[in-house]
Order: sequence, then structure tokens, then C-alpha cells
Amino acid sequence: DAKTTQPNSMESNEEEPVHLPCNHSTISGTDYIHWYRQLPSQGPEYVIHGLTSNVNNRMASLAIAEDRKSSTLILHRATLRDAAVYYCILRDRTNAGNMLTFGGGTRLMVKP
Amino acid sequence: GAVVSQHPSRVICKSGTSVKIECRSLDFQATTMFWYRQFPKQSLMLMATSNEGSKATYEQGVEKDKFLINHASLTLSTLTVTSAHPEDSSFYICSAYLPSYNEQFFGPGTRLTVL
Repeated sequence: DAKTTQPNSMESNEEEPVHLPCNHSTISGTDYIHWYRQLPSQGPEYVIHGLTSNVNNRMASLAIAEDRKSSTLILHRATLRDAAVYYCILRDRTNAGNMLTFGGGTRLMVKP
Repeated sequence: GAVVSQHPSRVICKSGTSVKIECRSLDFQATTMFWYRQFPKQSLMLMATSNEGSKATYEQGVEKDKFLINHASLTLSTLTVTSAHPEDSSFYICSAYLPSYNEQFFGPGTRLTVL
């Protein structure tokens, strides 16, 4: 799987939007962009995924660059419960059940 | 839907004993489950891929005779850490693949402490 690069940590104020960046310059045409988050002492939780178009769900939005070499996870109003490690992962869509390779992720800290 | 459970959530054992961790998909059938290990302040590392009715596929560096994986049904995979030692202390996480969602869903994790 192609590699992703994320900042080690970010800080946000409560109730403000958060933009979490991810670079994936070696992404292939068959790679989906997935985001998971892991709250302290819990297993990862699916957040969102996309291929080419921007995506929205109840948790977040995913903005994908036109060349697909980067993407941004957007939390519209951060809450204290959003403090977690956020992982950006590429997964080849031709291998539907394939394993996920976790990088270091971004540790998001939310200040009250 | 798409809930994955793990049991136990926490286990403390003496060095040399074996520990079994269960991973269940509660409301769906999973032909493929995955086992990960996470040391403090590190990311998840895949240990093995478990396919129902067949032998697990282990990642390089993971001892298959030490980490026994059984996937006997479409809703249950087990990981047995044999002759556990303090260096095996870690957070063990499973996931189950749901084809209709094309997604993996993760269990809450099991924290193993070997004294």
C-alpha cells in the first residue's frame, strides 16, 4: 500500500473546526483514502473514506485534492470527545478485505 | 450494526501461562478477521490475517507457534498467546471485515499484562 504522511500532533479549541491534513503523493488510481480514529484505550473507529470526490457523513467531511495526492479530514465543530489519534490510510479497492497498514497518525488535542 | 466485541477486555497473567482472547462479530458474518498489536505510544501493527476455515496468514516476524489463531466460525476468531512473557504485554485489537460495507470494524481491544 502507498504511504501516507501526517503531522504528529495538532491542537484545536473546542467548538472550532479542525482540518487534519494527509499527504499521499504515491497514491495509485485504485486506492481508497480511509480515515480512522482511535480514542484512548480503545480500538480504532471508522470515520470516513473516499476515492475522488469530497465526502460528508455525520462525523466528518473528507476533502480530496484534485490530483488525489493529499486529503483533509474536516471536523466541523471539535468537541472534547474528538480528542484522539487520527489515521489516514490508503487501501487498494481491488483488495476488498485487505489489511490496513497504520502509520503514526495525528494526535488531536482539543482544548476547552 | 457492525459491532465487534473482544473478551476479555483486560487480563493479567503470570509468565509462562497461556492466554486466549476472543473476537466476535456480533451482528454480521466475517470470513476475514485481523489481529493487531499495539505497544504504548505506538501505532497498530498487523500480526495476522484470519480466514474462516483455513490457516491464518502471519506477518513477518510474528511467531505462529506462539500466537495461535483459530477462526472456526464466521463470527468468532481466537488468539492464544502461548507461554506468555512480559515482552508480550501489549494491547491486542481485532477487526472483522464486512463485505457489504467494504470496511473493517474494530473490537475494543484487550490489554494483556504479563507479570
